[in-house]
Amino acid sequence: DTEVTQTPKHLVMGMTNKKSLKCEQHMGHRAMYWYKQKAKKPPELMFVYSYEKLSINESVPSRFSPECPNSSLLNLHLHALQPEDSALYLCASSQEQMEGELFFGEGSRLTVL
Amino acid sequence: GQSLEQPSEVTAVEGAIVQINCTYQTSGFYGLSWYQQHDGGAPTFLSYNALDGLEETGRFSSFLSRSDSYGYLLLQELQMKDSASYFCAVKNQGGKLIFGQGTELSVKP
Repeated sequence: DTEVTQTPKHLVMGMTNKKSLKCEQHMGHRAMYWYKQKAKKPPELMFVYSYEKLSINESVPSRFSPECPNSSLLNLHLHALQPEDSALYLCASSQEQMEGELFFGEGSRLTVL
Repeated sequence: GQSLEQPSEVTAVEGAIVQINCTYQTSGFYGLSWYQQHDGGAPTFLSYNALDGLEETGRFSSFLSRSDSYGYLLLQELQMKDSASYFCAVKNQGGKLIFGQGTELSVKP
């Protein structure tokens, strides 16, 4: 199994809603990532978890809250988002944090109204 | 800080060879990766260079010169399905993988 699975694939939410994005991998990878990608732009790093501990937070606003319940799961909790947060949210994993090969999920396309 | 530069667009014909260059400035360079992304799809890993030299994987090759802060992706025997965005990405010693702006490759018949 070389897949990173993300749910939901599409999400529409209002600015007062609370929702969560979920990511799962069963490759035994110890590093997991959240990236945000706008149309025609590169993925932007948000968070990195290594061995289930938050390793990197790229100064992401607190309305985005990551969580790593175990080595296979990564969540991104969303609250009080803004329309400019609408984007494709990509989860990725790698064997270790220093690996250059990341496996990406298909992403969750988020629209904030 | 970090910056990566790559051409925004490249056009080539089927069967041709194309080279996409990437220059970078980073604190604590660890390695250079290349990713392919089709419209609406996820980035897919192509190659990774941590040491100087050429890495070959099928029709794709990647080169790195650490002293020149430069790398390239070489695509041979281009096919229509190679039309996509190609990103170089630097892994720094802090463990961050930072992407360049991407090169949109169009392969024409």
